[in-house]
Amino acid sequence: SSELTQDPAVSVALGQTVRITCQGDSLRSYYASWYQQKPGQAPVLVIYGKNNRPSGIPDRFSGSSSGNTASLTITGAQAEDEADYYCNSRDSSGNHPGFGGGTKLTVL
Amino acid sequence: QVQLQQWGAGLLKPSETLSLTCAVYGGSFSGYYWSWIRQPPGKGLEWIGEINHSGSTNYNPSLKSRVTISVDTSKNQFSLKLSSVTAADTAVYYCARRGSGYDPYYYYYYMDVWGKGTTVTVSS
Repeated sequence: SSELTQDPAVSVALGQTVRITCQGDSLRSYYASWYQQKPGQAPVLVIYGKNNRPSGIPDRFSGSSSGNTASLTITGAQAEDEADYYCNSRDSSGNHPGFGGGTKLTVL
Repeated sequence: QVQLQQWGAGLLKPSETLSLTCAVYGGSFSGYYWSWIRQPPGKGLEWIGEINHSGSTNYNPSLKSRVTISVDTSKNQFSLKLSSVTAADTAVYYCARRGSGYDPYYYYYYMDVWGKGTTVTVSS
């Protein structure tokens, strides 16, 4: 078990800001990375490290971390942001990667 | 631009061995770890294991007894074998490139390139 906990579902009104969180003891020592997955598609990396976006990821996506909680913030959510979001970090031993259970984001 | 192309048998019977291969195109094979991740139908992502170009491996403890990941650097390919499969191993299997870095003050890891996924069904 990766021991990373995410809320199963979150909703946001179109154009508003939403924060998706990931909790785990390993986040006190490692940054999380965040992945967006749309139905039938492979996950896409959206945030990694302290707050880094891969090329092609809109700047409305940002990341932050405090204590045992990592957060993915979408500022001005768009309809195309509706997807499942997964955090990824190390397990409590630091030896193995693990994923959170995922958060289903609905854009209203 | 790095691309991963994966293939392997999609239908297995219980007790058989799952075998998948992932080829890396357009980038360096060294300097990264190469990972396998799976996703059962309607469920979340599960990390299976990883390997680097020199063959150093790291496995999910819950699968370690059944998993073997190997690398063929001459072909820029890496492979997954999962033995004694059951219906619980039915999933979409992904290969991915895993990088790492260090920002003051934490390490970080990320999977930035993914294969398209292979659906594996275990059924008698």
